[in-house]
Amino acid sequence: GQNIDQPTEMTATEGAIVQINCTYQTSGFNGLFWYQQHAGEAPTFLSYNVLDGLEEKGRFSSFLSRSKGYSYLLLKELQMKDSASYLCAVKGNQGGKLIFGQGTELSVKP
Amino acid sequence: DTGVSQDPRHKITKRGQNVTFRCDPISEHNRLYWYRQTLGQGPEFLTYFQNEAQLEKSRLLSDRFSAERPKGSFSTLEIQRTEQGDSAMYLCASSLRAGLAGGDEQFFGPGTRLTVL
Repeated sequence: GQNIDQPTEMTATEGAIVQINCTYQTSGFNGLFWYQQHAGEAPTFLSYNVLDGLEEKGRFSSFLSRSKGYSYLLLKELQMKDSASYLCAVKGNQGGKLIFGQGTELSVKP
Repeated sequence: DTGVSQDPRHKITKRGQNVTFRCDPISEHNRLYWYRQTLGQGPEFLTYFQNEAQLEKSRLLSDRFSAERPKGSFSTLEIQRTEQGDSAMYLCASSLRAGLAGGDEQFFGPGTRLTVL
């Protein structure tokens, strides 16, 4: 079967660092994506990993370990506007469809 | 605006009625996807097209749902005989399939929120 797990919610303080974990079990693997979704809005692309290791993009970094079926999204220097849902998604085969986790609702407090 | 657009943004209908949604992808994108999202959940895949060909359809998609992409540009998603369980946000996304290397990040539209009374 296909299963993607991530915490339901997290809280962090403005200016801090937060790590959102994602574990997956899928029948195939062709990349892992992270999306940000503010309430009532469309998901927006943050990062993509297909090889093991860390991808850094400004305040956001994403890590992948294919052998462990594990990824995390690291957000540094948190800002209030980072309060949103963060979605982990796996592309399981060449077909292109994404299999999403339920999302992690991040609340950034002053 | 060159992003993905969807119409309408909101639809309220009565149970048993048919509804149709439209999606206009980013113009050069050859892949178009439909997802459904309910509150507190991640998007759930429904179907996708490469150009005008419908290449995959979720087993969760009942025969009341049909999607088309007649000229490989815009797409429509129709739900016949709507049920209250169809109430959700319907998201469209598009991507540019470029070789076999993977990637082809998907860009999402703003969604159509369907409420079935």
